Amino acid sequence: AQSVTQLDSQVPVFEEAPVELRCNYSSSVSVYLFWYVQYPNQGLQLLLKYLSGSTLVKGINGFEAEFNKSQTSFHLRKPSVHISDTAEYFCAVSERRAAGNKLTFGGGTRVLVKP
Amino acid sequence: DAGITQSPRYKITETGRQVTLMCHQTWSHSYMFWYRQDLGHGLRLIYYSAAADITDKGEVPDGYVVSRSKTENFPLTLESATRSQTSVYFCASGENTEAFFGQGTRLTVV
Repeated sequence: AQSVTQLDSQVPVFEEAPVELRCNYSSSVSVYLFWYVQYPNQGLQLLLKYLSGSTLVKGINGFEAEFNKSQTSFHLRKPSVHISDTAEYFCAVSERRAAGNKLTFGGGTRVLVKP
Repeated sequence: DAGITQSPRYKITETGRQVTLMCHQTWSHSYMFWYRQDLGHGLRLIYYSAAADITDKGEVPDGYVVSRSKTENFPLTLESATRSQTSVYFCASGENTEAFFGQGTRLTVV
């Protein structure tokens, strides 16, 4: 079984400032790692994913995340946020060798970008 | 249009009533999933399906029933709705390493 912890439930940030959203996971098996974004009243959209290879993963909208196996972390960063980045962000994992893609989610982090 | 669609988008029902949430995907993905989203819990898996006529329980299956007679449809039924089932429900489909989500159904049980 896996578990995902997002350490911050809310993150207020000023426009054009950097933001980091923290994600730690626990698993007895190897996992794939994901970040999803949810804009108000919408479904989830994939920001980026780590499957293998380089531990620095670049996604859409200028986001990137770094996989740290020793710290079991997958923190999400953006160097300069926009008002349009106001949304809820979810970190998720799935079991690497399992068929399909059953996701285990963290509790989410609400990002509020202030002008 | 290609994609994954859920219906209805909003539903209010009374305690004890049966309600079915619909999910339809046009990609012919093998896997389909139902999640519920509750504040502080993120999304939790209710049921999933690996193919037509193959379904399995997720983390929170109690009070829910699913079926999958066709690859493209995966309805979720609440047999006797309870207030604790007030939530936002998301359907997803995918293959091995990525899942695509619908817009969600906001269900309120009064």
